Amino acid sequence: AQSVAQPEDQVNVAEGNPLTVKCTYSVSGNPYLFWYVQYPNRGLQFLLKYITGDNLVKGSYGFEAEFNKSQTSFHLKKPSALVSDSALYFCAVRALDRGSTLGRLYFGRGTQLTVWP
Amino acid sequence: EAQVTQNPRYLITVTGKKLTVTCSQNMNHEYMSWYRQDPGLGLRQIYYSMNVEVTDKGDVPEGYKVSRKEKRNFPLILESPSPNQTSLYFCASSPNSPNQPQHFGDGTRLSIL
Repeated sequence: AQSVAQPEDQVNVAEGNPLTVKCTYSVSGNPYLFWYVQYPNRGLQFLLKYITGDNLVKGSYGFEAEFNKSQTSFHLKKPSALVSDSALYFCAVRALDRGSTLGRLYFGRGTQLTVWP
Repeated sequence: EAQVTQNPRYLITVTGKKLTVTCSQNMNHEYMSWYRQDPGLGLRQIYYSMNVEVTDKGDVPEGYKVSRKEKRNFPLILESPSPNQTSLYFCASSPNSPNQPQHFGDGTRLSIL
């Protein structure tokens, strides 16, 4: 079965410290991987994606993510956290269901990131 | 400004009273979808549409209907709402597939009493 796991419901980090939000996936075929961020009372906003190529992907607001095929992971990282990074983060994977040529997006449960001053 | 617009943003209603949540995008996108967001469950896809008159079920389609008569609009219809459909709903669109970044609306919070 296709699935995405975000093992931490919450991540707390001090401003200026590096942050990591974890994501692992289980899909058949080559995965297309995404990170989205959700601020209060807003829809999700796209941060970055991995489809192919370099395993380290750079995205918006200084975020990056590392694709690790052997560990089936796509962790989100930022070298120096800001208070304004506090939000809900979602990992998503596009997976091909049997008989489908288009695929569908599967989302993780979300990780609440809190950066304190 | 490129955007996905949902209406209403908030609605409290009663069991069994038909309601429609509208979704409109101004980016000429072919792919549109509806999700519901519930605490601890993340986002789950309800329905999606690859183009006008082409729709298909997502993970949790029961109790919902959609239509895609025009490219820009993708309304979500609850014919007979029930309390278990109380949730936060998001419409999203992308140029032509889920392989591309999705543009999300700001959400519709539905409460079914």
